[in-house]
Amino acid sequence: GNSVTQMEGPVTLSEEAFLTINCTYTATGYPSLFWYVQYPGEGLQLLLKATKADDKGSNKGFEATYRKETTSFHLEKGSVQVSDSAVYFCALSGGGRDDKIIFGKGTRLHILP
Amino acid sequence: EPEVTQTPSHQVTQMGQEVILRCVPISNHLYFYWYRQILGQKVEFLVSFYNNEISEKSEIFDDQFSVERPDGSNFTLKIRSTKLEDSAMYFCASSLPVAEETQYFGPGTRLLVL
Repeated sequence: GNSVTQMEGPVTLSEEAFLTINCTYTATGYPSLFWYVQYPGEGLQLLLKATKADDKGSNKGFEATYRKETTSFHLEKGSVQVSDSAVYFCALSGGGRDDKIIFGKGTRLHILP
Repeated sequence: EPEVTQTPSHQVTQMGQEVILRCVPISNHLYFYWYRQILGQKVEFLVSFYNNEISEKSEIFDDQFSVERPDGSNFTLKIRSTKLEDSAMYFCASSLPVAEETQYFGPGTRLLVL
């Protein structure tokens, strides 16, 4: 079945550092890919998404490119801020009638001032 | 901006008791979902609901679970006889009936079964 694998955390960076959180997926067909973020004490918020190969999703300085050849959707940000500290979930949905979201285990990110 | 709301934010219950978790989806959405996140683990799909019936359910969603849309605005998840392992954060989500449409999540209900 469909699955998502993302890098284990926690990831600790200094403010203004470059961020990469790796994510790979296994899916049949043409899934849509997502990054969700969960700030402390809050629910899940959609950060960005991409619905087809080579699409780049971007939001709040974060970006991720849908790479079908490597089945990857790595999250990047050029310069992180303390306020980016949160748990980041890579996820996919199968598309069409298979619309349930399959989440990765999440990566906790700590940004130090 | 419209948002999904959930009540209560926290609930503590005794093992064997029934609980009902409530969700108000975004008003023009027609697909509804429940997910759960056991502490420290990944978010897991429970059930999807469309046109007043279950579209899909996971292995977790056994006979102890049920969902209902009792009126035009609420979407509920009932656990008939709670078990210790039902302790988790439960998230409701909703989306428009359009292919590849985004699911919007509520803030969650933290359920603790003692």
